[in-house]
Amino acid sequence: AQSVSQHNHHVILSEAASLELGCNYSYGGTVNLFWYVQYPGQHLQLLLKYFSGDPLVKGIKGFEAEFIKSKFSFNLRKPSVQWSDTAEYFCAVIVSGSARQLTFGSGTQLTVLP
Amino acid sequence: DGGITQSPKYLFRKEGQNVTLSCEQNLNHDAMYWYRQDPGQGLRLIYYSQIVNDFQKGDIAEGYSVSREKKESFPLTVTSAQKNPTAFYLCASSMIGLAGVDNEQFFGPGTRLTVL
Repeated sequence: AQSVSQHNHHVILSEAASLELGCNYSYGGTVNLFWYVQYPGQHLQLLLKYFSGDPLVKGIKGFEAEFIKSKFSFNLRKPSVQWSDTAEYFCAVIVSGSARQLTFGSGTQLTVLP
Repeated sequence: DGGITQSPKYLFRKEGQNVTLSCEQNLNHDAMYWYRQDPGQGLRLIYYSQIVNDFQKGDIAEGYSVSREKKESFPLTVTSAQKNPTAFYLCASSMIGLAGVDNEQFFGPGTRLTVL
């Protein structure tokens, strides 16, 4: 069974700092990759997704992620964070063509200080 | 508005009681899912259903049951057999993609269950 690892449980940054959240998965076949975000008191929502094609994926609110197949990684980046980016971020993977079970990482809580 | 609704938002129950959490979607999605979210553990899949009257166990199905009598509804029952039921429960839905194409899951607002 596939698993997803998010190495940072809690990240604290000042506004305008750059962000990179790590995500690694353990499956050697074709995967579809997602980053979800959960703002305080709000629904879990999709930030970006990778199915195929360009490994650099751009999402909402200035976020992007790069799929590096050789490293089994899908790290999330943002060049300059804002206070409103404070939230919990989840990486998730589906094995392509499987029964569509999303496997989530344990999440990273990002706190941005004003 | 199209979306997923879950009710109630907060739910309290006594030990030994069964409780049912509601999930309704008007997105015309074929697939529906139930997840449990615990601090530091991310989301774990309880049950999912890809078609009416059919559902499959996820990673942590023990102590839970579901039904899928209608396309838009996928209620979850937390039974007294679930040893640690206090958690945040999230329902999701998605289209069934074409071969080789998976589709985004949309999430409801969640129900926070506390067992007293």
